[in-house]
Amino acid sequence: EVQLVESGGGLVQPGGSLRLSCAASGFTFSRFWMSWVRQAPGKGLEWVATIKQDGTEKYYEDSMKGRFTISRDNAENSLYLQMNGLRVEDMAVYYCATVEPVGWYFDLWGRGTLVTVSS
Amino acid sequence: SYDLTQPLSVSVALGQTARITCGGNNIGGKNVHWYQQKPGQAPVLIIYRDSNRPSGIPERFSASNSGNTATLTINRAQAGDEADYYCQVWDSSTVFGGGTKLTVL
Repeated sequence: EVQLVESGGGLVQPGGSLRLSCAASGFTFSRFWMSWVRQAPGKGLEWVATIKQDGTEKYYEDSMKGRFTISRDNAENSLYLQMNGLRVEDMAVYYCATVEPVGWYFDLWGRGTLVTVSS
Repeated sequence: SYDLTQPLSVSVALGQTARITCGGNNIGGKNVHWYQQKPGQAPVLIIYRDSNRPSGIPERFSASNSGNTATLTINRAQAGDEADYYCQVWDSSTVFGGGTKLTVL
């Protein structure tokens, strides 16, 4: 079965760090650009970051540059998001998704993992 | 930054046609993609590159894009179509519309 499964979410204090993971299965992970997209409670979708198949290109939404780091391990079929300096406004469900670079859209989504930032 | 404007909500009678708009400056010159998100679930791609349906998406879903407005059309609306719908484009970075809640009456 083709799927993405996120993990690593949880409760963290403001200023803290968290590392999210996304496990891919059922497809050739190394062939795909990958992204993280988040959704704050009751809000819309917000793109977070994107990484090329071989990890040589990475792109971030401006407000997350310098705080978040996207990475991948193709041998482990896994995508990661290291989040440092977390703020209350970073509280959201974080989804990983495959990216189709022709048109730049998100084809396959995981179910998401919830990050709660609170003291 | 590029802005996409969607109505907050759209209502449609059961079996009728719903239209959800996505406004942006010269959006007709960009590729527009649409996602459906049901409560408590992840988004699902329903239209890519203006008017293409992924496999498994019913033909009742169609879309167009011209000028300053892209439109998602849902024919013969069903109760199961109740969801939030998001448009998305790429303009130097990925941009999502604010989302439209579709209610089927």
